[in-house]
Amino acid sequence: GAVVSQHPSWVICKSGTSVKIECRSLDFQATTMFWYRQFPKQSLMLMATSNEGSKATYEQGVEKDKFLINHASLTLSTLTVTSAHPEDSSFYICSARVTPSGANVLTFGAGSRLTVL
Amino acid sequence: AQSVTQLGSHVSVSEGALVLLRCNYSSSVPPYLFWYVQYPNQGLQLLLKYTSAATLVKGINGFEAEFKKSETSFHLTKPSAHMSDAAEYFCAVSANTGNQFYFGTGTSLTVIP
Repeated sequence: GAVVSQHPSWVICKSGTSVKIECRSLDFQATTMFWYRQFPKQSLMLMATSNEGSKATYEQGVEKDKFLINHASLTLSTLTVTSAHPEDSSFYICSARVTPSGANVLTFGAGSRLTVL
Repeated sequence: AQSVTQLGSHVSVSEGALVLLRCNYSSSVPPYLFWYVQYPNQGLQLLLKYTSAATLVKGINGFEAEFKKSETSFHLTKPSAHMSDAAEYFCAVSANTGNQFYFGTGTSLTVIP
C-alpha cells in the first residue's frame, strides 16, 4: 500500500536555529500533502496544505514565515521551522492524500518530534 | 461544514471484553468517515473507512464500524480487546471530493489485563 516516509523521527535543536522536516510519498505521487501539529494528549491540528508547484495554504493562526513549506516535486514536501523556540517543540505529522479510483484516504507519516532547547 | 465528536476521551476495558469507541459526525454533504489508530510517538494508521458502500465496515486487527445515517454515528467496535489494542483512536470525516479531513479529539483506550 501507499507509504509516507517522514524524516527525521526525532530532532533536538538549539533555540534560534532552523529545522527541516521531510515528507516523502513512496510508490505514489502526491500533489497534495498536509502538515499537522499535535500537542501531547491532543488531536491533530492542521497547519497547512502543501500543493506541488504552488504556494502552501496555511490555516488561520499559523505563521507562514515561521513554518516554511516547500513542495517542489510530486513525492516530496518539506516543513522548515525557522528560528525555532521552545514553544515550537511538538510532534509534527505529515500526510498525503491517496486517491485511487476517487477514494479519499489520508496516509500518514510516522511523525517528527521536535524539541527546542 | 463537517465535524466529528468523540464521546469519552478515555476508555478502559478488560482484556477480552468488548471495545466500543463512539463517534458522531456532522456533515452537510454525504460523508466519508474514517477511524485511525495512533501508537505512542508514531503517526496515524488507517483502521477502516466508510465511503458510501456497505454500512458495516470491517478493518484491520478485528475492528469494525457501522455507519448509521439516522443516528449520524460511526462507532468503532471490537468483540474482544487485546493488550496490543491500547492506543489513541481518532475518528475523522471528509467530504467525498474535498481535501479537508476533520479529526475528533481522540479516545485513549486502555486495556486492563
